[in-house]
Amino acid sequence: DTEVTQTPKHLVMGMTNKKSLKCEQHMGHRAMYWYKQKAKKPPELMFVYSYEKLSINESVPSRFSPECPNSSLLNLHLHALQPEDSALYLCASSRTSYEQYFGPGTRLTVT
Amino acid sequence: KQEVTQIPAALSVPEGENLVLNCSFTDSAIYNLQWFRQDPGKGLTSLLLIQSSQREQTSGRLNASLDKSSGRSTLYIAASQPGDSATYLCAVTGTASKLTFGTGTRLQVTL
Repeated sequence: DTEVTQTPKHLVMGMTNKKSLKCEQHMGHRAMYWYKQKAKKPPELMFVYSYEKLSINESVPSRFSPECPNSSLLNLHLHALQPEDSALYLCASSRTSYEQYFGPGTRLTVT
Repeated sequence: KQEVTQIPAALSVPEGENLVLNCSFTDSAIYNLQWFRQDPGKGLTSLLLIQSSQREQTSGRLNASLDKSSGRSTLYIAASQPGDSATYLCAVTGTASKLTFGTGTRLQVTL
């Protein structure tokens, strides 16, 4: 099983809402990642978890809050987002420093 | 800071043609290089992974080469098909498992 799943596929939220994105993998990977991708741009790294501990935060605003409850799950909690946060949010996993496998993404629209 | 550039930014070829996509990176201290395919609004599909000690990898009609010392990689697609139309991204893995993406090449294969 080389699949990374993400839910929901699409999300529309207002600027005062609180929502969460979910990512799951069952490949035994111990590194998990969140990326943000704007239209016609490459993905940009947001967070890296290694062995369930946050190892990299690419200076992401605190309205994005990651969480890794166990080795298979990665969440991204969203609160008080801005319209410019609308993007495709991608999750990935890997054995550390090896090939990264990406999920299909969550298309987020902030109104 | 690692910078990854892809040339050309867009390419249109007739079906059946062989083609080459180029990727260059500024910092040769990499663990590996991956080539991805992305269809519009979708996640990333890993095509090939080349470890830093390798020179090339092949999968079906795809062949990727890596010249780490000169900071270059190429993706060769043989006998292109309309189903190959997508955006192709190269990405290098540096320290702390950070993946830095190139700017992408949008490929269209016409009938």
